[in-house]
Amino acid sequence: DGGITQSPKYLFRKEGQNVTLSCEQNLNHDAMYWYRQDPGQGLRLIYYSQIVNDFQKGDIAEGYSVSREKKESFPLTVTSAQKNPTAFYLCASTTGAAGYTFGSGTRLTVV
Amino acid sequence: QKEVEQNSGPLSVPEGAIASLNCTYSDRGSQSFFWYRQYSGKSPELIMSIYSNGDKEDGRFTAQLNKASQYVSLLIRDSQPSDSATYLCAVSSGGSYIPTFGRGTSLIVHP
Repeated sequence: DGGITQSPKYLFRKEGQNVTLSCEQNLNHDAMYWYRQDPGQGLRLIYYSQIVNDFQKGDIAEGYSVSREKKESFPLTVTSAQKNPTAFYLCASTTGAAGYTFGSGTRLTVV
Repeated sequence: QKEVEQNSGPLSVPEGAIASLNCTYSDRGSQSFFWYRQYSGKSPELIMSIYSNGDKEDGRFTAQLNKASQYVSLLIRDSQPSDSATYLCAVSSGGSYIPTFGRGTSLIVHP
């Protein structure tokens, strides 16, 4: 079955540490997105990529970095510059105007 | 700044009743409208999309769009306890297809 796989499901980060969240899709979608969700908040766009080797900053890109070397993969790195990284991270993909398919999410906690 | 507004709820309805979820948006150029369902601790799932004025029905779900009033709603007929979740409204304009999400409405269906 086609879908989006995010890993790990839970991730713990120590102060000053960079961590990378994986997102892989086999839907043949061109566009991929990273969102952050905090309790009681809407989804906030971190980065997006509409084509391989190109990506754009979203509304809250500071402290995050991404790459898009393959159509199927769009990993997100949470750097030490992100001072409040504890959140639920969601990866999504789409072909265009048809709406998003989301992965199952990664819950990141600072310890 | 594009805005999508939803009543946070919770909206509580008895089993078998009609649940009515509402959403207003600020961008008159919006063209695509989506409803996502998100169970607690899970990722959002697309349940309805609507692109033109009027009603769109899919099983127990009906999406209603009124572009003149900048209003989109979701009706859930014969509500079941399994419908208890947060419902996210998302709106996008043409071009980038990147939607703006509302904060969601919590629905509780009690037996």
